[in-house]
Amino acid sequence: DGGITQSPKYLFRKEGQNVTLSCEQNLNHDAMYWYRQDPGQGLRLIYYSQIVNDFQKGDIAEGYSVSREKKESFPLTVTSAQKNPTAFYLCASNTGQFSTDTQYFGPGTRLTVL
Amino acid sequence: AQSVAQPEDQVNVAEGNPLTVKCTYSVSGNPYLFWYVQYPNRGLQFLLKYITGDNLVKGSYGFEAEFNKSQTSFHLKKPSALVSDSALYFCAVSGETFSGGYNKLIFGAGTRLAVHP
Repeated sequence: DGGITQSPKYLFRKEGQNVTLSCEQNLNHDAMYWYRQDPGQGLRLIYYSQIVNDFQKGDIAEGYSVSREKKESFPLTVTSAQKNPTAFYLCASNTGQFSTDTQYFGPGTRLTVL
Repeated sequence: AQSVAQPEDQVNVAEGNPLTVKCTYSVSGNPYLFWYVQYPNRGLQFLLKYITGDNLVKGSYGFEAEFNKSQTSFHLKKPSALVSDSALYFCAVSGETFSGGYNKLIFGAGTRLAVHP
């Protein structure tokens, strides 16, 4: 997990609320990623960013939003439009230059909707 | 489209015995294959990857993986399992690129390894 921090570790959300998950990296990586993990489904890509001020939708972007104002930071907002947000959220980063680049992951945030 | 299959939801092994966690893949062009391990409520830790060259790849914590192109497989192995190896293991493949040339990782559903004393 070294080099990538995520906060908070646990997050509880009421119906209709927007919540923001933090992801910070000190690895000087250009590319950052957000994944959602559900039991038995592996990881699914929500959003990714190759460079500051640019980001792209992944496979399950509906109900989520991101920003990339700084190289080190890639926060994810889970909006009220996300119908089933309870999941484990993982942030990752790499240099993003080649398909062979290893992605390194943060420790994750577990979001629960009350 | 690329895909990864981990055919076993769970693998049970006695401590000291060899272990194998299976992975098969489908990708256009050259596959780049990765194994990660996840302990409860933690992020994924990188174990090893295959890019090219020797079909046997050695990684962290004594793990290794064998790339078999004809069988489109990349099985994770360890000669002698430890109780502390008990965790969730993910295989992932990268072959396509995003627009702009960045990699997209496709993950398998994961295999839970249980090593019994």
